[in-house]
This record gives sequence, C-alpha cells and structure tokens, in this order.
Amino acid sequence: DADVTQTPRNRITKTGKRIMLECSQTKGHDRMYWYRQDPGLGLRLIYYSFDVKDINKGEISDGYSVSRQAQAKFSLSLESAIPNQTALYFCATSTGDGYTFGSGTRLTVV
Amino acid sequence: RKEVEQDPGPFNVPEGATVAFNCTYSNSASQSFFWYRQDCRKEPKLLMSVYSSGNEDGRFTAQLNRASQYISLLIRDSKLSDSATYLCVVNDKTSYDKVIFGPGTSLSVIP
Repeated sequence: DADVTQTPRNRITKTGKRIMLECSQTKGHDRMYWYRQDPGLGLRLIYYSFDVKDINKGEISDGYSVSRQAQAKFSLSLESAIPNQTALYFCATSTGDGYTFGSGTRLTVV
Repeated sequence: RKEVEQDPGPFNVPEGATVAFNCTYSNSASQSFFWYRQDCRKEPKLLMSVYSSGNEDGRFTAQLNRASQYISLLIRDSKLSDSATYLCVVNDKTSYDKVIFGPGTSLSVIP
C-alpha cells in the first residue's frame, strides 16, 4: 500500500456541487497538507495541519474547508465547486525534512 | 517578485549531456532547501536536500549560495529517464514552517 493514499484519483463534478477529497497516510506523521497544482503556477498550499487539533489556512483557502478526522486522515472539501477549482490536488505529509505526496486527485468542475 | 523562481524551460538536451538548473528565492530567512522531481501527471518526489556545503548524489549535485539566494542542480551524463519537471522547494521555518514550491523546470533528454 502507498504511504499516502488519495481518493478519488479522478473526479468530474458540476458547478455548485459539494465534493470531498480524502487522504490517508500510514507514515505516522503529524503534519499533513493539501496543495493544488495548476500549470505554470506550481504547487499552492490550501490548508495544513500539524496535529488533529491544529488546522491552519494556507495561501488559497477560500472556497475550501478541511477536516482532520484522525492523525492518519485529512480530507478536503469544496463547499460549492466552481470551474476555476479545476486542478490537480495533492495531499502530503512531512516530518519537516521533506514531503511525501499522494498520487493526486485530478478534479474537473464543469 | 515571486518567492521562488525557476526558469520554466523546457530544456531539451541530448543523452549524456550535462545540464544545470537554477532557482532563486526572495526570503533571506529561508532555512531548508530541496529539489523535487515530478513526472508528468504524477506526484512530486524528493530528489535531494540541499546543504550549505553542497552535496552530491551520483550524477546529481546540488549547491546553495545564501549570499545570492540561489540554489542550483547539476545533472551529469543525462539519461532518458531524467526527463521530468524539477521543482525547487524552499522552507522558511521562522514562521509556520512555510514551504514554497517553485513552478518547476521542464527537462527533456532526447536520444
């Protein structure tokens, strides 16, 4: 099994729908992150969590929310999806010295 | 000015060539530096950390110049399998352990 697992791998959803992206990890790391990647813009931080009770906004949190259900689980929700949220989303964990990423979720909002 | 900048490329080089990528960062308080490799439609994977004294891992050499605020990655004897996007990553631990990813430099090694 992968160290960081994201589901779904691909998703097409309609504008206005609520959608949840899930992430689980087996590395036992406290730190978990959600990033989105757009061509030419690199990875941008949406939310991060340093433990179950510590959740923080990143640079582009508007339109997103997260839930840290357990040390191993960190989910990202789009409350009302819009087309400019079409992107590749990555979950990651770290110990502070390098990240381990999930395989990504390719989300298309139509 | 962007916090981390890279030449987007693409760099198209023949097999066996030596290629160098540069990355500049704006925050002088940055403390940790990394190079990641990302294959098309895949997740980024850690290639190597960058230490102040410079470090080497096989065909790959990373250098850090704090005074000029840039990081470099040198790949010698390029292989077809080196074709990927290389991401420069800078970690500012003085705030919330802020990590900034550069936009990446695309490399294509051609036969």
